Amino acid sequence: SAVISQKPSRDICQRGTSLTIQCQVDSQVTMMFWYRQQPGQSLTLIATANQGSEATYESGFVIDKFPISRPNLTFSTLTVSNMSPEDSSIYLCSVDDGSSSYNEQFFGPGTRLTVL
Amino acid sequence: KQEVTQIPAALSVPEGENLVLNCSFTDSAIYNLQWFRQDPGKGLTSLLLIQSSQREQTSGRLNASLDKSSGRSTLYIAASQPGDSATYLCARDTGNQFYFGTGTSLTVIP
Repeated sequence: SAVISQKPSRDICQRGTSLTIQCQVDSQVTMMFWYRQQPGQSLTLIATANQGSEATYESGFVIDKFPISRPNLTFSTLTVSNMSPEDSSIYLCSVDDGSSSYNEQFFGPGTRLTVL
Repeated sequence: KQEVTQIPAALSVPEGENLVLNCSFTDSAIYNLQWFRQDPGKGLTSLLLIQSSQREQTSGRLNASLDKSSGRSTLYIAASQPGDSATYLCARDTGNQFYFGTGTSLTVIP
């Protein structure tokens, strides 16, 4: 299965600033996904990022708040813009690396964000 | 609404005990059902994936079952160990999107 890394692993940010989270995969993958996990909650899909096309955002998430880049098949970034304390969450990227025929997803270690 | 519910929300057992975690979903349309483990403050580790055509999958001390007609999946952990302490999440894959359950927090007491 793919090995996925994220940077930073954690950060503490001030209200109104922006943070860009990087997701690196050790193999080429078509589909990458960004999730948010708020404290005590389960995972919620933010958007799907395919290389060469605009990210597809889920209901409740907009590009101005969570711009995503997908410059190649091994890398993606998620920016959390104009942050507020409500954005404090763990942000996770995941991929379907194609090693299984059945949409099996593999996750990065996550980025723990605290907004003061 | 695509709901995935996990019961219990938290479970504490003595080491060596066998246990069952439950996952139920309101929509029977399913492509796969995947079980994950999440350690505190960490990402998710894939444990087992059950295809819609399968009824169960096994990996070591773990066994996961799927009953599409009743909208349920169970994760059976045999001979639990303190290292099994974590949050266990199930996720229903519709083929287009994953819907995650609320998780069961498991503590295995030495």
